Amino acid sequence: SQQGEEDPQALSIQEGENATMNCSYKTSINNLQWYRQNSGRGLVHLILIRSNEREKHSGRLRVTLDTSKKSSSLLITASRAADTASYFCATLSWGGYQKVTFGTGTKLQVIP
Amino acid sequence: NAGVTQTPKFQVLKTGQSMTLQCAQDMNHEYMSWYRQDPGMGLRLIHYSVGAGITDQGEVPNGYNVSRSTTEDFPLRLLSAAPSQTSVYFCASSYSARSSSYNSPLHFGNGTRLTVT
Repeated sequence: SQQGEEDPQALSIQEGENATMNCSYKTSINNLQWYRQNSGRGLVHLILIRSNEREKHSGRLRVTLDTSKKSSSLLITASRAADTASYFCATLSWGGYQKVTFGTGTKLQVIP
Repeated sequence: NAGVTQTPKFQVLKTGQSMTLQCAQDMNHEYMSWYRQDPGMGLRLIHYSVGAGITDQGEVPNGYNVSRSTTEDFPLRLLSAAPSQTSVYFCASSYSARSSSYNSPLHFGNGTRLTVT
C-alpha cells in the first residue's frame, strides 16, 4: 500500500503565484523527500527533510514536516511555467536497508 | 557521468513473452531499485538491491525477477508477460543502502514504457 498521499491531486495556478502541496504518511519515518517529474521523464530529487527537522529551504522551495501529524508540505514560491510537473513525496522508514515509498503525486500546472 | 541508463525506452510484448529491462548506473551506487508507475497509483516498489549479490522484494514483486551480479547493473526480468504488467518502469539508485544514511536521495533513469497486448 502507498505510504504517502498527496493533496491536492491536481493544482492549477497563474505564473507568479505560490503553490502548496501536502503529503500525509502512515508510519514513522527516517526522512521525507520531495521529487519532481516532468512529463515522460524520470523523477528528480528536490529536497530532503530529516525526521528531526521542522522546516527546510532550497531556493524557491520550502518544506515543512510535522511528525506528530505525519504530514509534510511543499511550497513553491513565485511559480514559473517551468514548474509545471508532477510532484511526489517519498518516505524512508527507520531500520535496516532503505526502502523508499512514494505517494500518488500532485500534478501542478502553472499558467503563463 | 551518464547517471542511470535504462533500455529500451519503449517495448511492446505479447502475452506470455519474456523480456529483460536493463538498468545500469555509473555512480558506484550501493542501492538499486525498480519501480512501476501506473496512472493514479504513484510509484510502487517492485524489487531492490543493497549490493552485488543481494536482492529483496518490494511491494509488487510477483511476475518479476531480478539479479545483481555487478554493482553497476540491475536487470528486471519478466518471465511471462501479462497485460497487467503494462506500465512505465523506472530504475533508481542511491549512494547508500542504509536507512541511517540521511542524505542519499534516489537518482532515476528516464523509464521504459512497456505495453503487453
